[in-house]
Amino acid sequence: AQSVTQPDIHITVSEGASLELRCNYSYGATPYLFWYVQSPGQGLQLLLKYFSGDTLVQGIKGFEAEFKRSQSSFNLRKPSVHWSDAAEYFCAVGSNTNAGKSTFGDGTTLTVKP
Amino acid sequence: NAGVTQTPKFQVLKTGQSMTLQCAQDMNHEYMSWYRQDPGMGLRLIHYSVGAGITDQGEVPNGYNVSRSTTEDFPLRLLSAAPSQTSVYFCASSSTRTGLDEQYFGPGTRLTVT
Repeated sequence: AQSVTQPDIHITVSEGASLELRCNYSYGATPYLFWYVQSPGQGLQLLLKYFSGDTLVQGIKGFEAEFKRSQSSFNLRKPSVHWSDAAEYFCAVGSNTNAGKSTFGDGTTLTVKP
Repeated sequence: NAGVTQTPKFQVLKTGQSMTLQCAQDMNHEYMSWYRQDPGMGLRLIHYSVGAGITDQGEVPNGYNVSRSTTEDFPLRLLSAAPSQTSVYFCASSSTRTGLDEQYFGPGTRLTVT
């Protein structure tokens, strides 16, 4: 069975500081990995995704993530956080044989201090 | 394209009442899913569908029914509402026509059962 762990429930960073949100997954084959962002009262929006190829993927809003197979990780990073980045972030894992059945982590809430 | 639409946005039910949450997508996606989101628990899969006429259970299917008579629509039925079903419900769609595409989410339905 596939699973996703986001170890940090809540992270607070200062505006302009760098950010790293952690994600560890468990999956028997090559995973399809996603990061989504959810602003308060909104649905989920895709930030970036990884299927294969270059292990460093770029997404929207200046985010990037690095796939590390040896560590079963897919951490999300941003070099300089903006106040508008305050939101909840979800890591998810899926596969092309189980499309529509992505497994989500419990989410990390990001607070940005002025 | 409207993407994924959900109605209603908010709903209050009394225990024992039934209702249907509507979901529609106009992207011709073959996969559709229903999730519920509870604080601190991320998104949990209720039911999903891999195409018209085909549905299957997810992680938390009890108390919910689905059907998929068309590619576009995927309604979720609560048969006899219980306070434990108070949650935010998200519908999502995706496709594998170009590899595993990300899920596109609706804006959610906030349901309260009293």
